[in-house]
Amino acid sequence: KQEVTQIPAALSVPEGENLVLNCSFTDSAIYNLQWFRQDPGKGLTSLLLIQSSQREQTSGRLNASLDKSSGRSTLYIAASQPGDSATYLCAVKGSGSRLTFGEGTQLTVNP
Amino acid sequence: DVKVTQSSRYLVKRTGEKVFLECVQDMDHENMFWYRQDPGLGLRLIYFSYDVKMKEKGDIPEGYSVSREKKERFSLILESASTNQTSMYLCASSPPAGSRSYEQYFGPGTRLTVT
Repeated sequence: KQEVTQIPAALSVPEGENLVLNCSFTDSAIYNLQWFRQDPGKGLTSLLLIQSSQREQTSGRLNASLDKSSGRSTLYIAASQPGDSATYLCAVKGSGSRLTFGEGTQLTVNP
Repeated sequence: DVKVTQSSRYLVKRTGEKVFLECVQDMDHENMFWYRQDPGLGLRLIYFSYDVKMKEKGDIPEGYSVSREKKERFSLILESASTNQTSMYLCASSPPAGSRSYEQYFGPGTRLTVT
């Protein structure tokens, strides 16, 4: 059974810092990996999708990497801003339609 | 842009009531999902549907049922609401499992309180 772990559970940084969020998964036979952002009391917004054949994806200040063989993904946020404060979740897809989610990292960027 | 909408952002119901949560997507997706999200427990899949009138149990289907009569609409039904069903409910949709562009898109969530 696939298990997804996100470390750290919470992170607080000053504005302007570059930061890395980690996601690890136990079964490397994944189809893709998706990073989401969730603001308090809201739904999930998809940030980046990495296919199993890809090593990284970039969108603006965000860069997600994937090392399938070691079961790891990272989300790099450059020059963090208070508006980046949210919970970030990663999810992996196997051969079926279901996603397996991590518990998330709660990020606070302090002005 | 894919749009997934949910009928209510906030809902307050009494114990024993029958509750309907509605979800609509506009991308002609085959798959639709219902999750609940609770602090410390993360996202848990209740049910999903891979086609009209087709459904599959998720990890926590007890106390819930679903209905998918049209491709764009997926309803979650709490037959007799209980206080332990107080939660955030999230709907999502996606293309089929084998799609090259497989990605799940989420609605804004419904915060349900059962008193």
